[in-house]
Amino acid sequence: DQQVKQNSPSLSVQEGRISILNCDYTNSMFDYFLWYKKYPAEGPTFLISISSIKDKNEDGRFTVFLNKSAKHLSLHIVPSQPGDSAVYFCAASGHGSGNTGKLIFGQGTTLQVKP
Amino acid sequence: GAGVSQTPSNKVTEKGKYVELRCDPISGHTALYWYRQSLGQGPEFLIYFQGTGAADDSGLPNDRFFAVRPEGSVSTLKIQRTERGDSAVYLCATSRGSGSRETQYFGPGTRLLVL
Repeated sequence: DQQVKQNSPSLSVQEGRISILNCDYTNSMFDYFLWYKKYPAEGPTFLISISSIKDKNEDGRFTVFLNKSAKHLSLHIVPSQPGDSAVYFCAASGHGSGNTGKLIFGQGTTLQVKP
Repeated sequence: GAGVSQTPSNKVTEKGKYVELRCDPISGHTALYWYRQSLGQGPEFLIYFQGTGAADDSGLPNDRFFAVRPEGSVSTLKIQRTERGDSAVYLCATSRGSGSRETQYFGPGTRLLVL
């Protein structure tokens, strides 16, 4: 039972263009959503988050959008840079995961930004 | 400052053997999480400590898995009678406090291979 899903295993974009990574969830009790970025042989690093009371959060080149009615969130990276090439994980937390802070992760999307 | 460290970085063992994986948290972080990441999947929650106590061990797959955090700092994940299916990257994450709003900082993981 995959509560957080990233249906695109991979995405390739040209440097300077926009990257859009998508994530869907099934548990309506989740109230906090996060994106983590992972390089090979390293642990995931926190990128950006959004609370369920908001529909958008922006941090520099990174913006996360939340559509609660559709149980969908997306991460926009603009402009994309070659250093953004990594695996991106969507994660959810909150009452839907027992409110202990444990994260429920999606399967990940591998982003490749071509120079 | 020092991040979360995990030792060993790689562990190869034979089926049926016992292994211990260590996590050194960021100083002062009271919450500690263990996750397991199988190939092609996102991290999967195993156990959560608040201080010395395991507040949520609902993710441990069976009784071969056990974790301790005796002094509220370093944690050890113990796997008895290892099986080939235990092969994965074991990730440790810590945060200042518990709850979904606290950012979790991940270590680089221990890559376990059971032959």
